[in-house]
Amino acid sequence: DGGITQSPKYLFRKEGQNVTLSCEQNLNHDAMYWYRQDPGQGLRLIYYSQIVNDFQKGDIAEGYSVSREKKESFPLTVTSAQKNPTAFYLCASSIDGSGGLETQYFGPGTRLLVL
Amino acid sequence: AQSVTQLGSHVSVSEGALVLLRCNYSSSVPPYLFWYVQYPNQGLQLLLKYTTGATLVKGINGFEAEFKKSETSFHLTKPSAHMSDAAEYFCAVTRTSGTYKYIFGTGTRLKVLA
Repeated sequence: DGGITQSPKYLFRKEGQNVTLSCEQNLNHDAMYWYRQDPGQGLRLIYYSQIVNDFQKGDIAEGYSVSREKKESFPLTVTSAQKNPTAFYLCASSIDGSGGLETQYFGPGTRLLVL
Repeated sequence: AQSVTQLGSHVSVSEGALVLLRCNYSSSVPPYLFWYVQYPNQGLQLLLKYTTGATLVKGINGFEAEFKKSETSFHLTKPSAHMSDAAEYFCAVTRTSGTYKYIFGTGTRLKVLA
């Protein structure tokens, strides 16, 4: 079945630690996205990528980094510079991200908690 | 700049009653509008979308929404609520040209009472 997988489902971060969230898709989509979801704030865009080896900052990129070395994969690193990382992180993809009318397909999410 | 406002962060309805979730948008260009649903601890799933053409859009699970340009609204409705409809619902708008970007509302949590 085609879809998006995210791992792990739960992730615990210690003070000063960098952690990486995995996102993989087998939908053959060019565009991929990372969102952060906090209660009462909806979804906020962290980074997006419209093509391999290219990505753009979203609204809340500070303290996060990404890479897009393969079409199927778009990992997100939460660095120690992100002082309030506790949130639900959602990865999404769409066909090419250029038209604005595309459906986004979401993964099941990763919940990040700080120890 | 585009924006989306969802009125009511929590809505409760009785099973079998009408569901109405409100969404108003602000956009300087004709918008594309979406409704997504999120069940607990899961990702979002598309319910329906409006791009062009017919302003009444039908989606999955018996939901529909009507694009009203004069009211800048895209409210989501369902004639008869079912217990399985309990979830969080997000309205979103995108641009029709230039750099793509989804703007999501803050969400409405629907509770269905037996």
